[in-house]
Amino acid sequence: AQTVTQSQPEMSVQEAETVTLSCTYDTSENNYYLFWYKQPPSRQMILVIRQEAYKQQNATENRFSVNFQKAAKSFSLKISDSQLGDTAMYFCAFRFYPSGTYKYIFGTGTRLKVLA
Amino acid sequence: GAGVSQSPSNKVTEKGKDVELRCDPISGHTALYWYRQSLGQGLEFLIYFQGNSAPDKSGLPSDRFSAERTGGSVSTLTIQRTQQEDSAVYLCASSFGAGATNTGELFFGEGSRLTVL
Repeated sequence: AQTVTQSQPEMSVQEAETVTLSCTYDTSENNYYLFWYKQPPSRQMILVIRQEAYKQQNATENRFSVNFQKAAKSFSLKISDSQLGDTAMYFCAFRFYPSGTYKYIFGTGTRLKVLA
Repeated sequence: GAGVSQSPSNKVTEKGKDVELRCDPISGHTALYWYRQSLGQGLEFLIYFQGNSAPDKSGLPSDRFSAERTGGSVSTLTIQRTQQEDSAVYLCASSFGAGATNTGELFFGEGSRLTVL
């Protein structure tokens, strides 16, 4: 079975500092995608960054980057120069493709608070 | 609008009543998902529609839950005889189906918060 684990329920970081959110997953699949989604207080989930498992290069999107360690099944998110608007729940997600359907498994989330 | 639209935004109901939650996906998206998010929990998969294929209902928690998708577009999630443990935010998401256009991103609505008294 596929599982996604986020071991940090809550974190805080000072504005302008860097923070890393952890995510590990378990799968026997070889081809999959990994995602980080952000859910601000408005509730709407927004994609932050995606990583294709067959790509060795870590994905980056402006201040957001990942450290993808396929062998270790680890997929952490680094937020640089944290801003107050980064305050949100962050969910790690895993997508695989069993039997002709796309399945997404989400972690339980990490609540990040950016402090002024 | 161009995004995923859900209604109602908030719903308060009494135990035992039926509720319907609606999702209008992004035009052109053939895949539609329903998730349940309970307080402090992650997203629990409920049901998945892909085009005209039979839906994947493997996440529905009981036979009180059902969903349909008419014309490959709008979807309705129905909860019959609601219980207090059904209180949660119900999120709908859509995406392109299988194929080169599927970059993997799910587009979410703002959710429907259900409170069962």
